[in-house]
Amino acid sequence: KQEVTQIPAALSVPEGENLVLNCSFTDSAIYNLQWFRQDPGKGLTSLLLIQSSQREQTSGRLNASLDKSSGRSTLYIAASQPGDSATYLCAVIPDMRFGAGTRLTVKP
Amino acid sequence: EAQVTQNPRYLITVTGKKLTVTCSQNMNHEYMSWYRQDPGLGLRQIYYSMNVEVTDKGDVPEGYKVSRKEKRNFPLILESPSPNQTSLYFCASSYRTGGILGTEAFFGQGTRLTVV
Repeated sequence: KQEVTQIPAALSVPEGENLVLNCSFTDSAIYNLQWFRQDPGKGLTSLLLIQSSQREQTSGRLNASLDKSSGRSTLYIAASQPGDSATYLCAVIPDMRFGAGTRLTVKP
Repeated sequence: EAQVTQNPRYLITVTGKKLTVTCSQNMNHEYMSWYRQDPGLGLRQIYYSMNVEVTDKGDVPEGYKVSRKEKRNFPLILESPSPNQTSLYFCASSYRTGGILGTEAFFGQGTRLTVV
C-alpha cells in the first residue's frame, strides 16, 4: 500500500523566510499529487495539484514540484507570512493517501 | 458547484447507539474515501471505494462499515460506537481512471463526532 511521508513534522520560522516542505511516496505509479492546507480544527483547503505529466505548479507565493521517479514532491513557500501558519498535507491521487503533515509556524 | 457534502457536521451520541454519517458527491467521481483525524495522528484512511459495490479497508477499519450502492453516495456506519471513535471525520472523492489524467481530490467539510 502506498506510504506517504512528510518531513519535517514541524517547522518554526521568522516572517519573511523562504521555506521548503517535503513529501515522499513509495509507489511512483500515481496520477497526481495534491497539496493541502489545514487550519486547526478546520477542513482541508486545496493549494496545488500537480498532474503526473507536469513537473511543477505555481500559485502566488507557492510552488510545488513533482519527481515521480524519485517519489518526491516539494512545496516551496516564498516570503512566508504569519497567515501561512497551518498544517500542510500532501496526498497522492487517486489513492488519496496522506502524509502526517508539516505543522508550520511563522513568527511575526 | 462541484462539492462533497457530509452530514451531520456535528454529532454527539452515546456508546452503542448505531449512527450513519452520510457523504455525497456531485462530480461523478469513481473513487471515494473516509478518514478520521485525531490530534498528532494526521489523516488516517478508514475505508475507500474504487467504484460502485467495490470497497476496501484502509488503515483503521475496525468498528466501521461502509457501503457503495450508488456512485454518488458513500455512507460511513458505526454499528456500536465507542468513545475511542470520538474524532473528526472527513469524506473525499476523486477520479481514478479514464482518459483524464485524474483530477484533484475534493473533501467534505468534516463531521465532528463525540461518543460519550
